[in-house]
Amino acid sequence: GAGVSQTPSNKVTEKGKYVELRCDPISGHTALYWYRQSLGQGPEFLIYFQGTGAADDSGLPNDRFFAVRPEGSVSTLKIQRTERGDSAVYLCASSTDLNSPLHFGNGTRLTVT
Amino acid sequence: QQQVKQSPQSLIVQKGGISIINCAYENTAFDYFPWYQQFPGKGPALLIAIRPDVSEKKEGRFTISFNKSAKQFSLHIMDSQPGDSATYFCAASKAGGYQKVTFGTGTKLQVIP
Repeated sequence: GAGVSQTPSNKVTEKGKYVELRCDPISGHTALYWYRQSLGQGPEFLIYFQGTGAADDSGLPNDRFFAVRPEGSVSTLKIQRTERGDSAVYLCASSTDLNSPLHFGNGTRLTVT
Repeated sequence: QQQVKQSPQSLIVQKGGISIINCAYENTAFDYFPWYQQFPGKGPALLIAIRPDVSEKKEGRFTISFNKSAKQFSLHIMDSQPGDSATYFCAASKAGGYQKVTFGTGTKLQVIP
């Protein structure tokens, strides 16, 4: 079946602009995660959703970052007033339940100029 | 604070050889240790995982060795193939809950014919 889908695959934006990154998890997966991967580094946890609610947002770097999952399926990561340091690959992952393996999408490469 | 340290940063192995990647962790609360494989432009994919109640786990050509007292674990790839060329991440999390995974910095493996 279809895997985790992330759009757009690439996003170039100017410093100070607002961006939205979309994640379509695997159908039926209740758990959804956002991770951020900087160049040459491993992914870093940002936020976890169980259903519609953000159960753990402790990895969000500051209040410019926000994520929603209004209907318990698609999620959107929103970044306000982007900075050059926000440039990274933003990965979304989903799983069937808490203990099941993570299935990652291919990510959105965000470049802030 | 880097909670999972990984080495080497890069590795070149001849086809048929053994690839060895080492990791060490600090947080004794970690009790689930997955390894992920990532190809360029793709998201990480779970390769193999181990829990600390066993010292070794083998799946095909991939083996994890785990030393709980030393807080170290390693991945061995036997009979390495050019198709194994990818970046490998060790990781750690707490089992029994959602997957707030802490990743190592990655090892870029190149298997040459």
